[in-house]
Amino acid sequence: GAGVSQTPSNKVTEKGKYVELRCDPISGHTALYWYRQSLGQGPEFLIYFQGTGAADDSGLPNDRFFAVRPEGSVSTLKIQRTERGDSAVYLCASSLDRSFSTDTQYFGPGTRLTVL
Amino acid sequence: GEDVEQSLFLSVREGDSSVINCTYTDSSSTYLYWYKQEPGAGLQLLTYIFSNMDMKQDQRLTVLLNKKDKHLSLRIADTQTGDSAIYFCAEIRPYQTGANNLFFGTGTRLTVIP
Repeated sequence: GAGVSQTPSNKVTEKGKYVELRCDPISGHTALYWYRQSLGQGPEFLIYFQGTGAADDSGLPNDRFFAVRPEGSVSTLKIQRTERGDSAVYLCASSLDRSFSTDTQYFGPGTRLTVL
Repeated sequence: GEDVEQSLFLSVREGDSSVINCTYTDSSSTYLYWYKQEPGAGLQLLTYIFSNMDMKQDQRLTVLLNKKDKHLSLRIADTQTGDSAIYFCAEIRPYQTGANNLFFGTGTRLTVIP
């Protein structure tokens, strides 16, 4: 597609439930990133994929958060036993080739997650 | 870790210049970025500057970099109502965990008054 797409655009769930958030990167982009943006804050890095593998998951807050990218394209961010503090906008970005120093990240519109 | 700092709000009149300031944290940052976020939209890359430069101009946008003070600014000339948005500066911290990942400031909400 023309840009990074994310589904759903909004997700409301109850505390303790499991949610999945999907990201479709720009075709041909090898790198994919997940960020979390809480109200009034800038995005915070969660995890980065190079191809199918999670090259850096240092930003995941705890083991309730997990992400996959099984075929090196679409990625799913999974949150188990959701908590109210997980409420935020989850942003996905992709870039062409992270080995280039001028590699640019292109962001999707985000998924707004609300945990009641 | 240390935070990238920005003022939260800025209001300007249409046609005036806007200057958005940012203090970043890592003197070894190679690239510094400005992103724009409009309501309901994703982050849009506006411009970036390499750390060996002190100024970059791109149409109405001028980026100034002061490495000594770790200060970055974005000037928007002839500000229009369509420029109303939140502006984020971001740095790459090459020697910290998450090398080459973006670290963002809190964002500056620019309001343009007609």
